[in-house]
Amino acid sequence: DAGITQSPRHKVTETGTPVTLRCHQTENHRYMYWYRQDPGHGLRLIHYSYGVKDTDKGEVSDGYSVSRSKTEDFLLTLESATSSQTSVYFCAISEQGGSGGTQYFGPGTRLLVL
Amino acid sequence: GEDVEQSLFLSVREGDSSVINCTYTDSSSTYLYWYKQEPGAGLQLLTYIFSNMDMKQDQRLTVLLNKKDKHLSLRIADTQTGDSAIYFCAESIEDSGYALNFGKGTSLLVTP
Repeated sequence: DAGITQSPRHKVTETGTPVTLRCHQTENHRYMYWYRQDPGHGLRLIHYSYGVKDTDKGEVSDGYSVSRSKTEDFLLTLESATSSQTSVYFCAISEQGGSGGTQYFGPGTRLLVL
Repeated sequence: GEDVEQSLFLSVREGDSSVINCTYTDSSSTYLYWYKQEPGAGLQLLTYIFSNMDMKQDQRLTVLLNKKDKHLSLRIADTQTGDSAIYFCAESIEDSGYALNFGKGTSLLVTP
């Protein structure tokens, strides 16, 4: 398995609080992605990074920000958590871009916003 | 993004073949992927196919690609109860750093 860890694995928080999820990789892959998974929607892209300090928005980026100050870490921040952000969050990494860049997924973080 | 379409449910008997179908959207996608997700777990890459191929076989898995119709299928031979999971079809999105555009997933139930 690709060396990807996510922390925390589970989190319960209250509406209005900031939350930061961490994705850590040991593969030195250039590309990193954050997705959320919700029933009836499959996985949807939140943000992605194509290098240190290089990030861009995905399909469902409102209410989220990201940072990548080191190759190995990609942080996802919910600036003020809402109940609609209750979801399972997956990080993925890819060595190369282009359609040949196979993505490997972390174990996920289950977030409940009360 | 546009929708990648998959049937939502499939039930088969143990030992039979399973066929999961997918219609994708981006004709420029060079690779197409199948991922498997077991309950409470992350996504596991099962296989992928390059767009200039019509078929790829990997042990019990056979992927068929009809590029003209943008149709992808995954056949699992001799399906086992351990194959019960959700299967996702995905295409890469060039405009989003080659992130993946997923279908909603097909829940495969294998009964003894």
